[in-house]
Amino acid sequence: SQQGEEDPQALSIQEGENATMNCSYKTSINNLQWYRQNSGRGLVHLILIRSNEREKHSGRLRVTLDTSKKSSSLLITASRAADTASYFCATDIGGAQKLVFGQGTRLTINP
Amino acid sequence: DTAVSQTPKYLVTQMGNDKSIKCEQNLGHDTMYWYKQDSKKFLKIMFSYNNKELIINETVPNRFSPKSPDKAHLNLHINSLELGDSAVYFCASGVAIHTEAFFGQGTRLTVV
Repeated sequence: SQQGEEDPQALSIQEGENATMNCSYKTSINNLQWYRQNSGRGLVHLILIRSNEREKHSGRLRVTLDTSKKSSSLLITASRAADTASYFCATDIGGAQKLVFGQGTRLTINP
Repeated sequence: DTAVSQTPKYLVTQMGNDKSIKCEQNLGHDTMYWYKQDSKKFLKIMFSYNNKELIINETVPNRFSPKSPDKAHLNLHINSLELGDSAVYFCASGVAIHTEAFFGQGTRLTVV
């Protein structure tokens, strides 16, 4: 089974609204990362949050991490049409030499 | 300048053929990866290299053979291609396993 699972699988909102995506994982981690993938492109790193951090901000992005619940959320505020993309969480799984991705949330921003 | 570049971007080939995908990174990273993304967008790691040495081989069929001639390159050779190999293959690099990964634009492989 997958380490990271995003929820919802798809999200459609109006431009200007906030978008929240969630990620759950199963094992202990060193850090959790969020990536964006535009259609037909490679993944782009957005933000990394370490296991001893609870919240992190980057521009319109806010990421939270709750290690007790093994979950993270990505909030995009004041969404724009250009935010339309798939968003993936990735965990490194403490002790393992690999970065494991979830299936992603497909976000559509309607003008 | 493209940080992680892979070629070709598109590859259409017949079953049974052998093909290679090349990857180069100019970021000076020690770690490189190959990922496979299926039609449902699920991204699965295939191989991980650190300083030209194989670190992770995620039970990928031995028809897939990565080769790292130097730290900046990690090529993927696939023998006897099968229909199920159709997917988008991504190369990525990073300073280390636990850090930010930089992805190439992907190679869409279609086996017919």
